[in-house]
Amino acid sequence: DAKTTQPNSMESNEEEPVHLPCNHSTISGTDYIHWYRQLPSQGPEYVIHGLTSNVNNRMASLAIAEDRKSSTLILHRATLRDAAVYYCILRDSNQAGTALIFGKGTTLSVSS
Amino acid sequence: EPEVTQTPSHQVTQMGQEVILRCVPISNHLYFYWYRQILGQKVEFLVSFYNNEISEKSEIFDDQFSVERPDGSNFTLKIRSTKLEDSAMYFCASSTRRAGGKDTQYFGPGTRLTVL
Repeated sequence: DAKTTQPNSMESNEEEPVHLPCNHSTISGTDYIHWYRQLPSQGPEYVIHGLTSNVNNRMASLAIAEDRKSSTLILHRATLRDAAVYYCILRDSNQAGTALIFGKGTTLSVSS
Repeated sequence: EPEVTQTPSHQVTQMGQEVILRCVPISNHLYFYWYRQILGQKVEFLVSFYNNEISEKSEIFDDQFSVERPDGSNFTLKIRSTKLEDSAMYFCASSTRRAGGKDTQYFGPGTRLTVL
C-alpha cells in the first residue's frame, strides 16, 4: 500500500465540524482511499472510502482533491463519541482480501 | 447489524503455554484476518485466510502461530508457546469478496492476551 501522511493529533469542540487531512502524494490511479477509526479500547472501525469523487455516508464525508494527492475526512458535527484515532489507508483496486496497513493515524480529541 | 465476535475478551496465560483465540466472523464473509496491537503501538497485520488457506502473512506470523477454520463459523488463532512479547490486543476481522480496493474489513472487539 502507498504511504500516507497524517497529523499526529487534532482537537475539536463538540458540535463543530472537523476536517482531518491526509496526504498521499504517491497514490496510483488504482488506489482507493479508505478511512478507519479506532475508539478507545475498541477494534478499528470502517468509516468511509472513495476513489475520485467526494463521498458521503451517515458517519462522515470524504473530500478528495482533484489530483488525488490528498483527501480530507469531514465530521460535520463532532460528538464526544468521535474522539478516536483516525487512519487514512490506501487500498489497491487490484487486490482483494489483503492486509490493512495501519500507520499512527491522527488522534482526535473532542471537548465539550 | 451483523458483527464479528471474539472470545475470550481477556486471556491470561503463563509463558510457554499454548493459547487459542476464537473469532466468529460475519456469516457471509469469505476473507478472515488476525491483527494485533501491542499497548500504545500501531495495529499490525498478522495473517489473512481465504478458501481454507493462508493467503498472506506478515513477518510476525512465525511458526509459533497458526490459524484454522475448524467449522463453518469459527476462525481461530493459536499461539503454540507464548512469550512475554506476545502480550497484546488481538483483533479478528472479516470481509466479503468484493472488487479489490472496495472491500471493507469489519473488526471484532479484540481479545486482550496477557502473558506472565
